[in-house]
Amino acid sequence: DGGITQSPKYLFRKEGQNVTLSCEQNLNHDAMYWYRQDPGQGLRLIYYSQIVNDFQKGDIAEGYSVSREKKESFPLTVTSAQKNPTAFYLCASSIGVGNEQFFGPGTRLTVL
Amino acid sequence: QQPVQSPQAVILREGEDAVINCSSSKALYSVHWYRQKHGEAPVFLMILLKGGEQKGHEKISASFNEKKQQSSLYLTASQLSYSGTYFCGTAYNNNDMRFGAGTRLTVKP
Repeated sequence: DGGITQSPKYLFRKEGQNVTLSCEQNLNHDAMYWYRQDPGQGLRLIYYSQIVNDFQKGDIAEGYSVSREKKESFPLTVTSAQKNPTAFYLCASSIGVGNEQFFGPGTRLTVL
Repeated sequence: QQPVQSPQAVILREGEDAVINCSSSKALYSVHWYRQKHGEAPVFLMILLKGGEQKGHEKISASFNEKKQQSSLYLTASQLSYSGTYFCGTAYNNNDMRFGAGTRLTVKP
């Protein structure tokens, strides 16, 4: 089955630790995205990538980093510089930027 | 760059209609609509490209008014399954899209 997966579903970390969220897709999509979702604030774009080895900052990139070494993978690292990292993180992919986006199930990160 | 959605929330009885609006301060290239049920990932509903077209998906349709830089989502004869949060995503070119804050729709029996 084609799809987009995120792991883990729930993640707990201590304050000051970096943490990496996984996002994998087997849809052969070129574009991939990371969003942060907080109650009442919709989906805010963190980073997106149009193609392998290229990525662009979204609206709230500070404190986050990404890599796109393979077409199917787009991991997100939440660094200790992110002041309020507790949130629900969604990864998505599309054939190209501007096309229908397919979302993964999300990872709920809680920083203690 | 984030579009503005209205209303923020709406409560309906089964069979009633609703309209959700999505407005932008910039000229739009396209508008996407998604629905997210509680605890789940957003699911794509439809894309509208500039040109004022209207699209439909079962009893859910949408319009795109290029001059007003606005899109509206129409839900007719609502069903319980329509409950969820509806997001519009607006793009100003073919490379960049931003989502609105969402409209929470609750359909009651």
